[in-house]
Amino acid sequence: DAKTTQPNSMESNEEEPVHLPCNHSTISGTDYIHWYRQLPSQGPEYVIHGLTSNVNNRMASLAIAEDRKSSTLILHRATLRDAAVYYCILRGDAGGTSYGKLTFGQGTILTVHP
Amino acid sequence: GAGVSQSPSNKVTEKGKDVELRCDPISGHTALYWYRQSLGQGLEFLIYFQGNSAPDKSGLPSDRFSAERTGGSVSTLTIQRTQQEDSAVYLCASSSRASGGTDTQYFGPGTRLTVL
Repeated sequence: DAKTTQPNSMESNEEEPVHLPCNHSTISGTDYIHWYRQLPSQGPEYVIHGLTSNVNNRMASLAIAEDRKSSTLILHRATLRDAAVYYCILRGDAGGTSYGKLTFGQGTILTVHP
Repeated sequence: GAGVSQSPSNKVTEKGKDVELRCDPISGHTALYWYRQSLGQGLEFLIYFQGNSAPDKSGLPSDRFSAERTGGSVSTLTIQRTQQEDSAVYLCASSSRASGGTDTQYFGPGTRLTVL
Protein backbone atom coordinates (compact mmCIF):
# COMPACT_ATOMS: atom_id res chain seq x y z
CA ASP A 1 0.00 0.00 0.00
CA ALA A 2 1.14 3.51 -0.68
CA LYS A 3 2.03 5.25 2.61
CA THR A 4 1.11 8.62 4.01
CA THR A 5 3.08 10.79 6.42
CA GLN A 6 1.43 13.28 8.75
CA PRO A 7 2.68 15.38 11.64
CA ASN A 8 1.93 13.79 15.01
CA SER A 9 0.16 16.85 16.36
CA MET A 10 -0.92 20.40 15.54
CA GLU A 11 -2.52 23.19 17.50
CA SER A 12 -4.88 25.96 16.50
CA ASN A 13 -6.95 28.70 18.03
CA GLU A 14 -10.70 28.75 17.75
CA GLU A 15 -12.08 30.53 14.65
CA GLU A 16 -8.70 30.47 12.90
CA PRO A 17 -7.98 28.41 9.76
CA VAL A 18 -6.14 25.13 10.12
CA HIS A 19 -4.00 23.51 7.43
CA LEU A 20 -3.29 19.82 8.03
CA PRO A 21 -0.58 18.46 5.72
CA CYS A 22 -0.14 14.95 4.35
CA ASN A 23 2.74 13.59 2.28
CA HIS A 24 2.16 10.66 -0.05
CA SER A 25 5.14 10.59 -2.38
CA THR A 26 4.49 7.00 -3.58
CA ILE A 27 0.87 7.64 -4.59
CA SER A 28 -0.19 5.87 -7.77
CA GLY A 29 -2.18 7.48 -10.55
CA THR A 30 -5.41 5.80 -9.52
CA ASP A 31 -5.20 6.38 -5.74
CA TYR A 32 -7.82 8.61 -4.21
CA ILE A 33 -6.88 10.75 -1.19
CA HIS A 34 -9.35 10.38 1.68
CA TRP A 35 -9.54 12.16 5.01
CA TYR A 36 -11.32 10.83 8.05
CA ARG A 37 -11.36 12.18 11.57
CA GLN A 38 -12.03 10.63 14.94
CA LEU A 39 -13.47 12.71 17.73
CA PRO A 40 -12.81 11.57 21.30
CA SER A 41 -14.67 8.37 22.23
CA GLN A 42 -16.32 8.10 18.81
CA GLY A 43 -15.81 6.07 15.66
CA PRO A 44 -14.06 7.71 12.71
CA GLU A 45 -16.10 9.91 10.39
CA TYR A 46 -15.56 10.77 6.75
CA VAL A 47 -14.41 14.29 6.00
CA ILE A 48 -13.56 14.60 2.31
CA HIS A 49 -11.82 12.91 -0.61
CA GLY A 50 -10.30 13.84 -3.94
CA LEU A 51 -8.28 12.55 -6.88
CA THR A 52 -6.59 15.43 -8.68
CA SER A 53 -8.59 18.62 -8.32
CA ASN A 54 -9.16 20.60 -5.16
CA VAL A 55 -12.43 19.74 -3.42
CA ASN A 56 -14.76 21.64 -1.11
CA ASN A 57 -17.62 20.45 1.05
CA ARG A 58 -19.46 21.75 4.08
CA MET A 59 -16.85 20.39 6.47
CA ALA A 60 -13.55 21.26 4.83
CA SER A 61 -11.50 21.83 1.71
CA LEU A 62 -8.88 19.53 0.23
CA ALA A 63 -5.99 21.03 -1.67
CA ILE A 64 -4.02 18.53 -3.78
CA ALA A 65 -0.56 19.36 -5.09
CA GLU A 66 -0.13 19.33 -8.85
CA ASP A 67 2.21 16.31 -8.67
CA ARG A 68 -0.20 14.65 -6.16
CA LYS A 69 2.66 13.83 -3.82
CA SER A 70 1.10 15.87 -1.04
CA SER A 71 -2.23 17.29 0.03
CA THR A 72 -3.61 19.62 2.68
CA LEU A 73 -6.87 19.44 4.56
CA ILE A 74 -8.15 22.91 5.31
CA LEU A 75 -10.59 23.72 8.09
CA HIS A 76 -11.59 27.29 7.36
CA ARG A 77 -12.62 28.28 10.90
CA ALA A 78 -11.68 25.82 13.60
CA THR A 79 -14.14 25.21 16.40
CA LEU A 80 -13.67 23.31 19.64
CA ARG A 81 -15.67 20.48 18.04
CA ASP A 82 -12.95 20.06 15.43
CA ALA A 83 -10.49 18.76 18.03
CA ALA A 84 -9.86 15.22 16.82
CA VAL A 85 -7.36 12.87 15.23
CA TYR A 86 -7.25 13.45 11.47
CA TYR A 87 -6.27 10.59 9.18
CA CYS A 88 -5.06 10.92 5.59
CA ILE A 89 -5.64 7.64 3.71
CA LEU A 90 -4.95 6.52 0.14
CA ARG A 91 -7.48 4.25 -1.52
CA GLY A 92 -6.83 2.44 -4.76
CA ASP A 93 -8.84 0.76 -7.46
CA ALA A 94 -10.25 -2.74 -7.60
CA GLY A 95 -7.58 -5.41 -7.36
CA GLY A 96 -5.19 -3.30 -5.35
CA THR A 97 -4.26 -4.17 -1.81
CA SER A 98 -6.03 -1.08 -0.51
CA TYR A 99 -9.33 -2.02 -2.14
CA GLY A 100 -12.22 -2.03 0.30
CA LYS A 101 -10.48 -1.53 3.62
CA LEU A 102 -9.19 1.70 5.10
CA THR A 103 -5.58 1.58 6.25
CA PHE A 104 -5.16 4.04 9.10
CA GLY A 105 -1.80 5.51 10.05
CA GLN A 106 -1.14 7.38 13.28
CA GLY A 107 -2.87 10.55 12.09
CA THR A 108 -2.52 14.10 13.35
CA ILE A 109 -3.91 15.04 16.75
CA LEU A 110 -5.48 18.49 16.37
CA THR A 111 -5.88 20.57 19.52
CA VAL A 112 -8.09 23.65 19.30
CA HIS A 113 -7.63 26.35 21.95
CA PRO A 114 -10.53 28.61 22.97
CA GLY B 1 -31.65 8.45 9.58
CA ALA B 2 -30.35 5.44 11.48
CA GLY B 3 -26.63 5.01 11.42
CA VAL B 4 -24.48 1.96 12.11
CA SER B 5 -25.29 0.43 15.46
CA GLN B 6 -23.22 -1.95 17.54
CA SER B 7 -23.98 -4.02 20.58
CA PRO B 8 -23.07 -4.33 23.31
CA SER B 9 -21.45 -0.96 23.85
CA ASN B 10 -19.26 -2.43 26.57
CA LYS B 11 -18.32 -6.02 27.29
CA VAL B 12 -16.23 -7.30 30.17
CA THR B 13 -15.29 -10.95 30.03
CA GLU B 14 -12.90 -13.37 31.64
CA LYS B 15 -9.90 -14.78 29.87
CA GLY B 16 -10.81 -17.97 28.02
CA LYS B 17 -14.48 -17.12 27.47
CA ASP B 18 -16.06 -16.63 24.03
CA VAL B 19 -17.67 -13.31 23.06
CA GLU B 20 -19.95 -12.22 20.24
CA LEU B 21 -20.08 -8.65 18.98
CA ARG B 22 -22.92 -7.50 16.78
CA CYS B 23 -23.10 -4.89 14.03
CA ASP B 24 -26.22 -3.53 12.32
CA PRO B 25 -25.20 -1.62 9.18
CA ILE B 26 -27.05 1.21 7.54
CA SER B 27 -30.04 -0.18 5.66
CA GLY B 28 -29.18 -0.95 2.05
CA HIS B 29 -25.42 -0.90 2.53
CA THR B 30 -23.91 -3.96 0.89
CA ALA B 31 -20.38 -3.60 2.27
CA LEU B 32 -19.56 -4.10 5.94
CA TYR B 33 -16.20 -3.75 7.68
CA TRP B 34 -14.75 -4.67 11.05
CA TYR B 35 -11.82 -2.79 12.59
CA ARG B 36 -10.33 -2.72 16.05
CA GLN B 37 -8.54 0.01 17.94
CA SER B 38 -6.17 -0.68 20.77
CA LEU B 39 -3.64 1.51 22.53
CA GLY B 40 -0.66 -0.32 21.20
CA GLN B 41 -1.78 -0.92 17.62
CA GLY B 42 -3.89 2.04 16.57
CA LEU B 43 -6.81 1.45 14.22
CA GLU B 44 -6.47 -1.80 12.26
CA PHE B 45 -8.62 -3.56 9.67
CA LEU B 46 -9.94 -7.03 10.46
CA ILE B 47 -12.34 -8.21 7.73
CA TYR B 48 -14.83 -6.92 5.22
CA PHE B 49 -17.98 -8.33 3.65
CA GLN B 50 -19.53 -7.65 0.29
CA GLY B 51 -23.00 -9.06 0.72
CA ASN B 52 -22.59 -12.26 2.72
CA SER B 53 -19.15 -13.16 1.42
CA ALA B 54 -15.83 -11.98 2.84
CA PRO B 55 -13.34 -11.18 0.05
CA ASP B 56 -10.72 -9.93 2.52
CA LYS B 57 -10.11 -11.60 5.89
CA SER B 58 -6.45 -10.62 5.96
CA GLY B 59 -6.67 -8.63 9.18
CA LEU B 60 -8.05 -11.36 11.44
CA PRO B 61 -5.21 -11.83 13.95
CA SER B 62 -5.72 -15.54 14.65
CA ASP B 63 -8.08 -18.45 14.08
CA ARG B 64 -9.80 -17.53 17.34
CA PHE B 65 -11.45 -14.69 15.42
CA SER B 66 -14.29 -15.29 12.99
CA ALA B 67 -17.10 -13.27 11.51
CA GLU B 68 -20.23 -13.94 9.59
CA ARG B 69 -22.92 -11.93 7.90
CA THR B 70 -26.38 -13.19 7.16
CA GLY B 71 -29.06 -11.82 4.87
CA GLY B 72 -26.67 -9.17 3.66
CA SER B 73 -27.33 -7.21 6.82
CA VAL B 74 -26.33 -7.97 10.41
CA SER B 75 -22.81 -9.19 11.13
CA THR B 76 -21.39 -10.96 14.16
CA LEU B 77 -17.72 -10.98 15.13
CA THR B 78 -16.88 -13.91 17.40
CA ILE B 79 -13.75 -14.20 19.49
CA GLN B 80 -13.15 -17.62 21.01
CA ARG B 81 -11.05 -18.25 24.09
CA THR B 82 -10.44 -14.56 24.66
CA GLN B 83 -7.01 -13.35 25.72
CA GLN B 84 -6.04 -10.12 27.47
CA GLU B 85 -4.46 -8.82 24.27
CA ASP B 86 -7.92 -8.95 22.64
CA SER B 87 -8.96 -5.99 24.81
CA ALA B 88 -9.76 -3.16 22.41
CA VAL B 89 -12.58 -1.15 20.88
CA TYR B 90 -14.12 -3.08 18.01
CA LEU B 91 -15.53 -0.81 15.32
CA CYS B 92 -17.92 -1.68 12.54
CA ALA B 93 -18.46 0.37 9.39
CA SER B 94 -20.67 0.05 6.34
CA SER B 95 -20.77 1.56 2.88
CA SER B 96 -23.17 1.43 -0.01
CA ARG B 97 -20.65 -0.71 -1.89
CA ALA B 98 -17.06 -1.75 -1.52
CA SER B 99 -14.89 0.19 -3.90
CA GLY B 100 -11.43 1.53 -4.09
CA GLY B 101 -11.65 5.17 -4.68
CA THR B 102 -14.90 6.76 -3.89
CA ASP B 103 -17.05 4.96 -1.33
CA THR B 104 -17.57 6.49 2.08
CA GLN B 105 -17.49 4.29 5.16
CA TYR B 106 -19.84 5.11 8.03
CA PHE B 107 -18.67 3.93 11.43
CA GLY B 108 -20.60 2.79 14.45
CA PRO B 109 -19.78 3.85 18.02
CA GLY B 110 -17.82 0.67 18.72
CA THR B 111 -17.87 -2.08 21.34
CA ARG B 112 -15.32 -1.73 24.12
CA LEU B 113 -14.09 -5.21 25.03
CA THR B 114 -12.17 -5.77 28.24
CA VAL B 115 -10.70 -9.18 28.94
CA LEU B 116 -9.76 -9.70 32.59
